Amino acid sequence: DVQMTQSLSYLAASPGESVSISCKASKSISNYLAWYQQKPGEAYKLLIYSGSTLQSGTPSRFSGSGSGTDFTLTIRSLEPEDFGLYYCQQYYEKPYTFGAGTKLELK
Amino acid sequence: EVQLVESGGGLVQPGRSMKLSCAASGFTFNNYDMAWVCQAPKKGLEWVATISYDGSSTYYRDSVKGRFTISRDNAKSTLYLQMDSLRSEDTATYYCARMGYTTDYYYLDGTYYYYYFDYWGQGVMVTVSS
Repeated sequence: DVQMTQSLSYLAASPGESVSISCKASKSISNYLAWYQQKPGEAYKLLIYSGSTLQSGTPSRFSGSGSGTDFTLTIRSLEPEDFGLYYCQQYYEKPYTFGAGTKLELK
Repeated sequence: EVQLVESGGGLVQPGRSMKLSCAASGFTFNNYDMAWVCQAPKKGLEWVATISYDGSSTYYRDSVKGRFTISRDNAKSTLYLQMDSLRSEDTATYYCARMGYTTDYYYLDGTYYYYYFDYWGQGVMVTVSS
């Protein structure tokens, strides 16, 4: 199985700051990488697929980059509603696998 | 608006069965592959199973093969997960998810489809305990 590693479990930041969340795959997955956001009481939300393509409705302050094994989700100028959990997921091959998540907390 | 609403969870004894349902609305259900994803308490997300848009193809993670069955009723826009021989390690919140896809063309092999989860339900808790 492809192991997905999100090196940071927690990240504290303030509104207006920019943050980056990294995700590393144990083998090359090309750009078959998705990012999801979860907030308490809400359903998981797809933010980005194909490594860098914004899902309809994802604000432009979100961006994704990377290919192969290393990927990054960047959020520019954090808004209060951006605090929550972020997961990466590879869909290059089954079983589809997820990173352990990075919790973005208010500093 | 896409909506996925799971139901059928609860407490069940080890070795028994449980069937989850997911009612879909806001999109043409029979145009999309669908999936179940689970998350055990304090643990990460795990893909469980996928079914093609017409129900002709199903895929499972190894730990549930032979015990879980994913199915769908396109006339009712409903996805199901039949869980048999339940184990304590199956305790988790189970999410229904619609699958979006991207495609890549390979000269010798043709077009490949790569699926991700573009809409999720709120989840339903399943607790396997005596």
